[in-house]
Amino acid sequence: AQSVAQPEDQVKVAEGNPLTVKCTYSVSGNPYLFWYVQYPNRGLQFLLKYITGDNLVKGSYGFEAEFNKSQTSFHLKKPSALVSDSALYFCAVRDSRDDKIIFGKGTRLHILP
Amino acid sequence: DTAVSQTPKYLVTQMGNDKSIKCEQNLGHDTMYWYKQDSKKFLKIMFSYNNKELIINETVPNRFSPKSPDKAHLNLHINSLELGDSAVYFCASRNVDNSPLHFGNGTRLTVT
Repeated sequence: AQSVAQPEDQVKVAEGNPLTVKCTYSVSGNPYLFWYVQYPNRGLQFLLKYITGDNLVKGSYGFEAEFNKSQTSFHLKKPSALVSDSALYFCAVRDSRDDKIIFGKGTRLHILP
Repeated sequence: DTAVSQTPKYLVTQMGNDKSIKCEQNLGHDTMYWYKQDSKKFLKIMFSYNNKELIINETVPNRFSPKSPDKAHLNLHINSLELGDSAVYFCASRNVDNSPLHFGNGTRLTVT
């Protein structure tokens, strides 16, 4: 069975600094990896995905993520944080062999002005 | 607008009642899901349907019964509501390829 871990409940970064939100995963087959963002009282919005190909994937709002197969990680990054990036971020994984998409517990990102 | 829409947005009811939440997507997707987000923001998969066929049932109590009249709709009926059912329920959909999930804005269910 697949699983995904977000080891940090929250991350605090000063505006303008780079940010990283960590994610590690476990699957039996090939991983399909996703990042989503949730703003208060809203559904989750898709940011980016890794299916195959280049390990560095770029997504919405200047976010990117790096797939590392040996470390089974898919950390979310942004070179320069904005206050408006403050939200709840979810990593998700799907095993290539089924339709189940599992989410991590979420990491709350605080960007300090 | 193309979207995943859920109704109602808020639902307040008493223990023991039966209630339904409706979900519709006009994205032409084949697969639809129900997720439960608890007070700690944990997202747990409940059900998934592919073209009206149940493909995932994650050990959800049988008081919960999903129904998919067509591939654009996936409704959730809950019998004999309990306090622990209070949560935000999200509907989502995706294509059968590797596309991401598209989420509705959620239904906040409060059981008193």
